[in-house]
Amino acid sequence: GDSVTQMEGPVTLSEEAFLTINCTYTATGYPSLFWYVQYPGEGLQLLLKATKADDKGSNKGFEATYRKETTSFHLEKGSVQVSDSAVYFCALSIGSGGSNYKLTFGKGTLLTVNP
Amino acid sequence: NAGVTQTPKFQVLKTGQSMTLQCAQDMNHNSMYWYRQDPGMGLRLIYYSASEGTTDKGEVPNGYNVSRLNKREFSLRLESAAPSQTSVYFCASRLSLASPLHFGNGTRLTVT
Repeated sequence: GDSVTQMEGPVTLSEEAFLTINCTYTATGYPSLFWYVQYPGEGLQLLLKATKADDKGSNKGFEATYRKETTSFHLEKGSVQVSDSAVYFCALSIGSGGSNYKLTFGKGTLLTVNP
Repeated sequence: NAGVTQTPKFQVLKTGQSMTLQCAQDMNHNSMYWYRQDPGMGLRLIYYSASEGTTDKGEVPNGYNVSRLNKREFSLRLESAAPSQTSVYFCASRLSLASPLHFGNGTRLTVT
């Protein structure tokens, strides 16, 4: 079945450090890929997405590139801020009907950024 | 612009009690979802509704029932709560298969 594997946390960084959170996937078709972020006490919010190979999603200084050859969608940010402290989830979705209405999520990576 | 609204925000139940978690979205989305979030387990899909009038089981449906009351509303019912159902429950919706999910802020449920 479809699955998402992301690096286990927690990840602790100092402000202005470089961030990478690894995400790899297994899918039978051609998925759309997403990164969601969850701030304390809130629901998940979409951070960025990519719908086909070589697409780069970006938002708020975060980027991720859809790499079909390595089945990866790693999240990066050049300079993190304290306000980026949150849990980050990688997810995939495969189009067309039936059970493909489901999204598959990774287990989440807790990021803490210290001043 | 409310998005996805879940009620209640917090609930404490005793084992064996029943309750219904409510979810409503005002974005005219077709599909709706119920997830539970547990430490170290990430998000697990309980039930989903691909469109009004249909519901299907997700990964962990046992102990739950759902109703897609209309296009806006999708409720989750626990008929006889168990401590294993202590969790944070999230409702989500999306317009189409290529669209991202929009989440509510969650219901924190404790079963004693």
